[in-house]
Amino acid sequence: QQQVKQSPQSLIVQKGGISIINCAYENTAFDYFPWYQQFPGKGPALLIAIRPDVSEKKEGRFTISFNKSAKQFSLHIMDSQPGDSATYFCAASASGTYKYIFGTGTRLKVLA
Amino acid sequence: NAGVTQTPKFQVLKTGQSMTLQCAQDMNHNSMYWYRQDPGMGLRLIYYSASEGTTDKGEVPNGYNVSRLNKREFSLRLESAAPSQTSVYFCASSNPIGGYTFGSGTRLTVV
Repeated sequence: QQQVKQSPQSLIVQKGGISIINCAYENTAFDYFPWYQQFPGKGPALLIAIRPDVSEKKEGRFTISFNKSAKQFSLHIMDSQPGDSATYFCAASASGTYKYIFGTGTRLKVLA
Repeated sequence: NAGVTQTPKFQVLKTGQSMTLQCAQDMNHNSMYWYRQDPGMGLRLIYYSASEGTTDKGEVPNGYNVSRLNKREFSLRLESAAPSQTSVYFCASSNPIGGYTFGSGTRLTVV
């Protein structure tokens, strides 16, 4: 019940295309859902996060869509750029703990 | 403003050796964490410290110990390293709304 399942494992997108990464969770106590971006040799960095009181959050080219009934959330990267090539992790945590359960990661490559 | 600083960046140990990974943050965060990252397994929580003076086990604590020396510093110790502990280790701290700041990692190889 603690797992966060992330797909796909890897993704190749043309420049200008839309990248979509999906995550699913089981624990209904989770109420904070961040996405992290990691470049090779670096630590993950917070990209965008959402709480279940909204169904969508947008920051620039990055959008989180959240479906509470399906217990799923996804990251959409619009107008994908080669500089977006990185590994993306979804995560979830329950209120007050901030102990994240991370997904297994998606390696995104954007072709120039 | 350095954020979260980890040392060392790279380390090779022989099986059975011990070592301590150091982590310090300068953001006045209460909570600090140690994760390990392995291919295909994402990041798994080893130990965390919700506040100075407290520590708790995470998902994969076996073979590790931690010390929250003060509010800034949180160290991870391997008492007797095993090849299964070959991994990249990340320290993180969090602000009151939950956003993590990660260090740049320690790449550890146990031979």
